[in-house]
Amino acid sequence: SQKIEQNSEALNIQEGKTATLTCNYTNYSPAYLQWYRQDPGRGPVFLLLIRENEKEKRKERLKVTFDTTLKQSLFHITASQPADSATYLCALDMGSGTYKYIFGTGTRLKVLA
Amino acid sequence: GAVVSQHPSWVICKSGTSVKIECRSLDFQATTMFWYRQFPKQSLMLMATSNEGSKATYEQGVEKDKFLINHASLTLSTLTVTSAHPEDSSFYICSARVGGGYEQYFGPGTRLTVT
Repeated sequence: SQKIEQNSEALNIQEGKTATLTCNYTNYSPAYLQWYRQDPGRGPVFLLLIRENEKEKRKERLKVTFDTTLKQSLFHITASQPADSATYLCALDMGSGTYKYIFGTGTRLKVLA
Repeated sequence: GAVVSQHPSWVICKSGTSVKIECRSLDFQATTMFWYRQFPKQSLMLMATSNEGSKATYEQGVEKDKFLINHASLTLSTLTVTSAHPEDSSFYICSARVGGGYEQYFGPGTRLTVT
């Protein structure tokens, strides 16, 4: 069955550094991969979508890579700020044109001032 | 743009009663709406996919008679938890998809507590 793993449950980094979060998947080949931010007690907020034929996508301080050979996506936040502290979820499409996604368990990022 | 609201934001009900949760797309028409539940420190679990004017498609293991979904219009979907039990206590979140887009826009979630 499809499986998604986000590298660590929690990640602490110092303000100003680059945070790198990992999303690995097995047993299928998604055409789309998304990253979301979720704050406690709130719904996820869409950040970036990357297609299987795209190697990299950027949006302001965010960068996502998608390596279909390694079955891995990396999510980078450069010049991190305490306000970036949240849980970040990766999500992969379930295929067959259903527009459904399977979500990882998330990485809780804490940016220390 | 792409704002989704949910109502109520939290609800407490007694075991055996039914609870309705509304999900609205405020500034767009949603081609498809999705319902998820999330337990503490766990990921989102897709419960069902809802298209306007048609029956919802439920994921394996989700009881369709217990979790009734009605997608009455392109801007409103409702989830009714029938005969709620304490194990139904969870965080329920809806999302909506716009047109041909693949990204989903989530509501703020509804915290359901069944006593």
